[in-house]
Amino acid sequence: DSGVTQTPKHLITATGQRVTLRCSPRSGDLSVYWYQQSLDQGLQFLIHYYNGEERAKGNILERFSAQQFPDLHSELNLSSLELGDSALYFCASSGSFGANVLTFGAGSRLTVL
Amino acid sequence: DAKTTQPNSMESNEEEPVHLPCNHSTISGTDYIHWYRQLPSQGPEYVIHGLTSNVNNRMASLAIAEDRKSSTLILHRATLRDAAVYYCILRALNNAGNMLTFGGGTRLMVKP
Repeated sequence: DSGVTQTPKHLITATGQRVTLRCSPRSGDLSVYWYQQSLDQGLQFLIHYYNGEERAKGNILERFSAQQFPDLHSELNLSSLELGDSALYFCASSGSFGANVLTFGAGSRLTVL
Repeated sequence: DAKTTQPNSMESNEEEPVHLPCNHSTISGTDYIHWYRQLPSQGPEYVIHGLTSNVNNRMASLAIAEDRKSSTLILHRATLRDAAVYYCILRALNNAGNMLTFGGGTRLMVKP
């Protein structure tokens, strides 16, 4: 157990639907990162939050949004889902803003039918 | 972040040392060299990182070339559990986003 908790572990939904993925960082970590891993794209950085504020954006689609709450947990919202959104979504956390090590969760596997 | 080049795959025998190479010829002076690995059906896991000097920890050793244009991750005694994709990543000290940019990595297969 890495200390980073992601729910749900598996999710199956239909095209056009909306889902929310949740991440609880390791105790005391202020940064949360979201990554997407699909078979043909590898691990792609989506977005980074530090202590509730967005710090960096990667290749995140406009249909996707995220936020980090005062208790530091984060949610990734995926809407108007397409077949190509099927992927593993990983959350990672780290301590101080300049900390070197990211700790990843076990991921949420999203299947869009 | 600067780019790294790794072999797509490598094979090793169980209980033998494994040397995983990484080339990073465009590395800058403030880039740290990080290694992560991803076991099957799991999230990436930190292995080791360094700047200029060789580094050792309980999981592995990191050997960094004097000109820093290449590095080698050394697993001293491979086990079946070490079969994973290993990612070599450069991370700038002043990386405002502090995120990791993953490449394709090296898929390590360990034979019993």
